[in-house]
Amino acid sequence: DPKIIQKPKYLVAVTGSEKILICEQYLGHNAMYWYRQSAKKPLEFMFSYSYQKLMDNQTASSRFQPQSSKKNHLDLQITALKPDDSATYFCASSQDPNANTEVFFGKGTRLTVV
Amino acid sequence: QQQVRQSPQSLTVWEGETAILNCSYEDSTFDYFPWYWQFPRESPALLIAIRPVSNKKEDGRFTIFFNKREKKLSLHITDSQPGDSATYFCAASPNSGTYQRFGTGTKLQVVP
Repeated sequence: DPKIIQKPKYLVAVTGSEKILICEQYLGHNAMYWYRQSAKKPLEFMFSYSYQKLMDNQTASSRFQPQSSKKNHLDLQITALKPDDSATYFCASSQDPNANTEVFFGKGTRLTVV
Repeated sequence: QQQVRQSPQSLTVWEGETAILNCSYEDSTFDYFPWYWQFPRESPALLIAIRPVSNKKEDGRFTIFFNKREKKLSLHITDSQPGDSATYFCAASPNSGTYQRFGTGTKLQVVP
């Protein structure tokens, strides 16, 4: 039973379009994250949230916007998509908001921008 | 700026040998060092972790050696098995941090 659910599993988008990646976690964790993985930059941190509050943002582009409607939800909206955005996007969570415990990863959304 | 560095980028060992994966960091505030492994088409998962109060952490065939003075760690996998073939990521976070920083990974192949 996956405890971190990411939807969709695969996504193909047209350059310039907008997409939302969905993430829900059922581990009762207090912190949630988005990481991106591509051939160029393995496991690149994007955002961290704790109790629905943005804690850290290491994403240079404002085209990436996290959205948290509930404590266990952290969606990722991406606007004006570019081919360079093609990557696997992992949602993750941890019990400890200080990130000093195990981080659990979802199965990822593989995004391809054409 | 890569805060956590790993070497080698890839490593091939024979079944039964010891694989040694290296990791180094710059930030002296880092105080939690997990290692994750990732199998093809899977997501990363925690393998073993260490905090600086210890210089060694062992879990079965997997051992972390930690040198705080030199800001270096290594993951030793003894009696390597083909099933250990994966990409291994060293990560680090500071005491009051908000996320874990990951290295670029070492792709390990264990040949039968």
